[in-house]
Amino acid sequence: DIQMTQSPSSLSASVGDRVTITCRASQGIGNYLGWYQQKPGEAPKRLIYAASSLQSGVPSRFSGSGFGTEFTLTITSLQPEDFATYFCLQHSSYWTFGQGTKVDI
Amino acid sequence: EVQLLESGGGLVQPGGSLRLSCTGSGFTFSDYAMSWVRRAPGLGLEFVSAIVSNSVDTYYSESAKGRFTISRDNSRSTVYLQMDSLRAEDTATYYCVKDESGRYRLAENWGRGTLVTVS
Repeated sequence: DIQMTQSPSSLSASVGDRVTITCRASQGIGNYLGWYQQKPGEAPKRLIYAASSLQSGVPSRFSGSGFGTEFTLTITSLQPEDFATYFCLQHSSYWTFGQGTKVDI
Repeated sequence: EVQLLESGGGLVQPGGSLRLSCTGSGFTFSDYAMSWVRRAPGLGLEFVSAIVSNSVDTYYSESAKGRFTISRDNSRSTVYLQMDSLRAEDTATYYCVKDESGRYRLAENWGRGTLVTVS
């Protein structure tokens, strides 16, 4: 099984900050990775697919990068509506998820 | 707008059965693979099962294999998860997930989830 290690598990940030979240795969997964945002009581929302492609309708302050085993989600200029939990999903072999990163104020 | 509405969760005794349903709207249901993903209390997300658009292929996690059965009725825009021989460790919120294609590839849209408690 491919394991996904996500860090940090939580972080505190302020509006306007730049935030970086990392996922590491236990083996190479190419660019078979997505990033998602989930707010309490809501359905998760896809932000990024194919490691770096921005989902339609998602603000351009969200970006993804990486290939192989190391991937990054970056939020430039954090907005109030961005306080949420973020997780990665690899789909190179079945699906496995990162443990999530809670971004709070 | 894509909407996925799960139902069928609830409290069940160990060894019991439950059938989850998920009805999709806002898209052509028969064109997309569908999956179930769960999150146990305090734990991370776990893939449970997937079914391709025409039901030819299904996929299961090791924990679901032999106990859970995924199926779909494209005429009703609904995917099902039949869960038998339930265990305490199956307690979780179960999410219905629409894929980005007709094959099992990458999650695109999610429902809000339905809670299953095995106790």
